[in-house]
Amino acid sequence: NAGVTQTPKFRVLKTGQSMTLLCAQDMNHEYMYWYRQDPGMGLRLIHYSVGEGTTAKGEVPDGYNVSRLKKQNFLLGLESAAPSQTSVYFCASLWRLAGGSSYEQYFGPGTRLTVT
Amino acid sequence: LAKTTQPISMDSYEGQEVNITCSHNNIATNDYITWYQQFPSQGPRFIIQGYKTKVTNEVASLFIPADRKSSTLSLPRVSLSDTAVYYCLVSRMDTGRRALTFGSGTRLQVQP
Repeated sequence: NAGVTQTPKFRVLKTGQSMTLLCAQDMNHEYMYWYRQDPGMGLRLIHYSVGEGTTAKGEVPDGYNVSRLKKQNFLLGLESAAPSQTSVYFCASLWRLAGGSSYEQYFGPGTRLTVT
Repeated sequence: LAKTTQPISMDSYEGQEVNITCSHNNIATNDYITWYQQFPSQGPRFIIQGYKTKVTNEVASLFIPADRKSSTLSLPRVSLSDTAVYYCLVSRMDTGRRALTFGSGTRLQVQP
């Protein structure tokens, strides 16, 4: 059981380049999330998904797109990278107690992205 | 989502008990209170979650007063490895976006 994995771990892009970050979870969780964390700051939600084939915008969605074609995978795309997107990106999946409101969220190790 | 307020930073020494308090004045009836721990260069890690009164696990205790407008994370006998950022979150999962909002957290520094 690998939990939540992210690919790649590090990446350097030039302004205007595109890339896709992959998040995979093997816990059969319905909900998955993409966050970004800038130095010294908390996490900000970019996009999230409550199930296969569904996605929704979070707090800071501009400049990013996502897809959830398979339940276990959640992809984050940058179509035209900008220096302001330099950050650490964390993926998470969430387990929710059936019929209740309690939950537990599991995070991946992060992808450190630098845009020059 | 309920807004949370917690101290920006705290200092402690090894072996001491550390209590980090979080204020959440507009917490709703169905909201749960969850604490996460984050080490540098790692993703946040779930520590503990509660709804009311007291919850204890092998890592920490969570105290929630009757009005639920605040909560206190208690770390017994901290060690250097407890140096991390601690986040308090308040949210419910049965309605709404089913997403969690992180604040800036409390940076705990444990000294030898």
